[in-house]
Amino acid sequence: GESVGLHLPTLSVQEGDNSIINCAYSNSASDYFIWYKQESGKGPQFIIDIRSNMDKRQGQRVTVLLNKTVKHLSLQIAATQPGDSAVYFCAENPPPSNTGKLIFGQGTTLQVKP
Amino acid sequence: DADVTQTPRNRITKTGKRIMLECSQTKGHDRMYWYRQDPGLGLRLIYYSFDVKDINKGEISDGYSVSRQAQAKFSLSLESAIPNQTALYFCATSGMAAGEATQYFGPGTRLLVL
Repeated sequence: GESVGLHLPTLSVQEGDNSIINCAYSNSASDYFIWYKQESGKGPQFIIDIRSNMDKRQGQRVTVLLNKTVKHLSLQIAATQPGDSAVYFCAENPPPSNTGKLIFGQGTTLQVKP
Repeated sequence: DADVTQTPRNRITKTGKRIMLECSQTKGHDRMYWYRQDPGLGLRLIYYSFDVKDINKGEISDGYSVSRQAQAKFSLSLESAIPNQTALYFCATSGMAAGEATQYFGPGTRLLVL
């Protein structure tokens, strides 16, 4: 079946360092990808998205990279701060793309050490 | 004010009881979703609705029912709660137009069934 998975369940980084969270997706026809951040006790919060016709998209301190050749998605966080500590999910929008049904990964926990 | 709200935020109930979780949104979105989240299993889709007259089962609908009372309101019911329905429940919304696949989540309801 289709799945979206994360390579590492937990990532620990030093405050100020850059973080890279990875995600593998299985459907090469997925046309849209999203990264969510979920802090303890809260709902998932949209961070950044990217369409399949792009390789890279930048936001404020975050960058998403898409490698369609190997079906890989990554989220880069620059100058990681304690407030970045959370679980990060990737999600893909498989075809047919108008169903509204996303497939979510299980999440990577990011721990920021002071 | 939050765009997607859920009530209650926490609920403890006993096996066999009927409970209802409510979701309201001010985003003007047509599509609404109910998910449950369990440790290690990620987000799993229970039910989704594309408009007031359109209700669809997700991957784990057994033991649950829903009602779309209005465009802005989507409630989830557990007719006879059982302990393995103890979980974190999230409501989400998304737009209908092409390119509006991003889902926006409420803060969640933590449910404990004794």
